[in-house]
Amino acid sequence: EPEVTQTPSHQVTQMGQEVILRCVPISNHLYFYWYRQILGQKVEFLVSFYNNEISEKSEIFDDQFSVERPDGSNFTLKIRSTKLEDSAMYFCASSEDRAGYNEQFFGPGTRLTVL
Amino acid sequence: AQSVTQLGSHVSVSEGALVLLRCNYSSSVPPYLFWYVQYPNQGLQLLLKYTSAATLVKGINGFEAEFKKSETSFHLTKPSAHMSDAAEYFCAVRGTGANSKLTFGKGITLSVRP
Repeated sequence: EPEVTQTPSHQVTQMGQEVILRCVPISNHLYFYWYRQILGQKVEFLVSFYNNEISEKSEIFDDQFSVERPDGSNFTLKIRSTKLEDSAMYFCASSEDRAGYNEQFFGPGTRLTVL
Repeated sequence: AQSVTQLGSHVSVSEGALVLLRCNYSSSVPPYLFWYVQYPNQGLQLLLKYTSAATLVKGINGFEAEFKKSETSFHLTKPSAHMSDAAEYFCAVRGTGANSKLTFGKGITLSVRP
């Protein structure tokens, strides 16, 4: 069964460093998403991406964040200068289209720890 | 704007007992509602979804949920808990408009006692 994959599963970085989180969405999906979950808090939407551009972003997704689909399979989230408060589980998701009833398929997540 | 409230952070039941996980939503447009489950070290897996076709929705692993507009609720139930049901459960809402993001509740951890 097709699935969304994410690498690495755990990333430890120093404050101020850049990190890139990688995702491989399901191959025929067109819409891609990043969510994050700070420990003990809700899963929060960060950004959605379609046709090589951002469709929607939350207030969390500031200038320190960027997303890219560098090739036909990968979807990346970059944090330019990490802060302690960026420590969280980051989930990638993909869906066939943006219709509200369609399922978003989630990856297993990358746990980012900023020291 | 949409929001989801999941009261409590932890529910513990005995194996074979009824599972009831509560979810209330707020939405300015007719909502689509979802329950996701997360097993340890895994991603979020869809259990079931409400898309306005039927108010009682059946999902995987024997779970079901009923959409009650008058109560703005979408509670998740399972008649008989199994040890393998121990996981974290998230309720989420999505609008029917162009906004495609999911808005999640904070999740409930279900423990099943032998």
